Amino acid sequence: DVKVTQSSRYLVKRTGEKVFLECVQDMDHENMFWYRQDPGLGLRLIYFSYDVKMKEKGDIPEGYSVSREKKERFSLILESASTNQTSMYLCASSLIGRDWYSNQPQHFGDGTRLSIL
Amino acid sequence: KQEVTQIPAALSVPEGENLVLNCSFTDSAIYNLQWFRQDPGKGLTSLLLIQSSQREQTSGRLNASLDKSSGRSTLYIAASQPGDSATYLCAWEYSGAGSYQLTFGKGTKLSVIP
Repeated sequence: DVKVTQSSRYLVKRTGEKVFLECVQDMDHENMFWYRQDPGLGLRLIYFSYDVKMKEKGDIPEGYSVSREKKERFSLILESASTNQTSMYLCASSLIGRDWYSNQPQHFGDGTRLSIL
Repeated sequence: KQEVTQIPAALSVPEGENLVLNCSFTDSAIYNLQWFRQDPGKGLTSLLLIQSSQREQTSGRLNASLDKSSGRSTLYIAASQPGDSATYLCAWEYSGAGSYQLTFGKGTKLSVIP
C-alpha cells in the first residue's frame, strides 16, 4: 500500500516564523501535491511537483514556497507565517500517467493541522 | 474558472438504503473525475477515478458515472452501512498544453443510521 507520511499531525507557530511542513511518500511516485482545507472553502491546491526540482503553482500559491530535492520528499514552506494560514494542510502523491500530468489516483497523508498565533 | 458543486451538502439515511451523491461541474473539458472519502480529522482516500474517455467505474458496492455533456457525475452506494459514514468529495482534473487544474467540490457529509 502507498504510504504518504506528513511529519506532524498538529503544529503551533507564531506570526512571522518560517514554517516547514514535510511530506514523504514511499512508492516512487513522480507527482506530489500540497493542499489546504478550510471550512466552507474546501480543498485548494497550493503547489504541485511532477519531478525532482520541478514545481508548478496551484490556485493559491501566495505566501508559500515548496522544495523537492529528492523524489520521495516534498516540503511546503511558509516564508513568514500569518494568522490567515491557519488551516489543515494535506499532502498527496500519484503516479504520472501516459501524459505529462497525472491521471492516476492521488494518495493522501493524514494532514497537518497548523495553527498560527 | 471551473466550479464543482456537490448536492446535497449533507445526507442522512437508514442502514441498507441505496443512495446517490451528485457532483456537477461547469467546464466539460475534463481529464479525470475522481471520488474520495474523508473521515473526520483524516486525509482523503481515493474511491474511484473515471478518465475522460470512460463513462463509469465500479468498486464493490460503489459505482461512479460520468456524463461530460451534462457536466455531471454521480456516486451510487448500494446497501449502505454505518461504516460508509464520511464526507465524500469529487474532484475535477484538467490538463492541457501548459495548463493544469484540479478543483474539488465542498463535499457531501453522509450519515448512515444503524
